This record gives sequence, C-alpha cells and structure tokens, in this order.
Amino acid sequence: QVQLQESGPGLLKPSETLSLTCTVSGGSISLYYWGWIRQPPGMGLEWIAYIDHSGVSNYNPSLKSRVTTSVDTSKSQFSLEMNSVTAADTAVYYCVRLWGYGRFDFWGQGTLVTVSS
Amino acid sequence: QSALTQPASVSGSPGQSITISCTGTSSDIGAFNYVSWYQQHPGRAPKLIIYDVSNRPSGVSNRFSGSKSGNTASLTISGLQAEDEADYYCNSYRNVATLYVVFGGGTKLTVL
Repeated sequence: QVQLQESGPGLLKPSETLSLTCTVSGGSISLYYWGWIRQPPGMGLEWIAYIDHSGVSNYNPSLKSRVTTSVDTSKSQFSLEMNSVTAADTAVYYCVRLWGYGRFDFWGQGTLVTVSS
Repeated sequence: QSALTQPASVSGSPGQSITISCTGTSSDIGAFNYVSWYQQHPGRAPKLIIYDVSNRPSGVSNRFSGSKSGNTASLTISGLQAEDEADYYCNSYRNVATLYVVFGGGTKLTVL
C-alpha cells in the first residue's frame, strides 16, 4: 500500500518561501506523477502542481509564477517550493499520487502551513 | 470562485438517494471524460470514490455512481447511510491555453 508523508515548517512569515517534502513508501516513485493540493481552512481543494520521476511538471496557472516542484528518486521524495507567501497561502497542504488523468488516488495526511507575522 | 460549480449543500434521509452536480464548461467537463469525485470526512484527507466519470476504485461501495451530460457531471449516492455525511468534491482537466486540473468548490452532504 502506497503511503505519502508530508514534512516541512508549519509556520512562515509573509514573504518567506514555503518548502515541503513528501516521502513515498510502499511503491515506486518512478511509475506515476506526484503532486500537491492545498485546502485553506474551511474551504475547498486547490490543485497546485504535479511532477513525474524525470522532472516533467505541470502547474496551476494561477500559482505558476511562485511555485517550483522537484523530485529525488534516490530518496523517493518530491518537493514543493512556493515563494513570497502571504496569509492567503495558509492551508493544509496534501501530497498526492496522480494515477491516470486527474485521478488523485493516494493522499498524505496533510500538513497545515500557517503564514502569519 | 471555484472553476467547477457545485451546490454548497445537499441533504437526505437514510435510505434515500441524492445527486450532487458539478457544472463546468466545454473546456473542462464537456471536453474530457476525466471527471473524478472525492469524499472528505472532517479532519481527514479526501478519498477518491469515482474516476473517469463513472468508474469506482476497488473497495468503494457500489452505492456511489457517477455520470456526465454535456458540461455537467453528477455523483449519485443511493441508500444513504450516516457514514456518507461528508464533503464531496469533483475535479476535471481544463484546457485553456494549457492543460491543468480544476476542482469544484465542494458540497456538504448532511444525512438527516
């Protein structure tokens, strides 16, 4: 059974860079796309990005200018960086596996990132 | 404002059937048979319950079914149970200048 675990700082100040890592276990990172989805408190889901093992990536157009994803197959990890964060970036960030087209079939437990001065 | 439109809430009594709609455009739902649905209980990560409009992953109850007509997709839950009370989200691809993933705003299902 594939498991995903997010890690990274839970509290950031405005203008800082958000950095999260997702560790994949129970399956090969080389066979799928891997992505990030966030959910502001009390609100809906927003897709951020996804990337495959070779680095081919796709980004939400509304976030593309601030977001970068990367993958480290040797560690079975993939990462998200989002610069110039504001309070509007406060959310639970989920790492996910993308199976086929738009099917996010495995999810991490989520990690809350709060942006506050 | 979400890319796909869902009703904010729906409700039903145990044993009844309910349907949640997800309305998009000819650039997303109308263009692709790649609509998925997710169930999210409070404090938990979403769970994939329908993919490719009408397919169920292994282990998902056959009380959940999906369909699509034009630019609108639908999730139907039959034989409502208390455990079905949750938030439900749809998603699709959108092809406008580039291909990307969009979600609906979510629907809160209350089992009365």
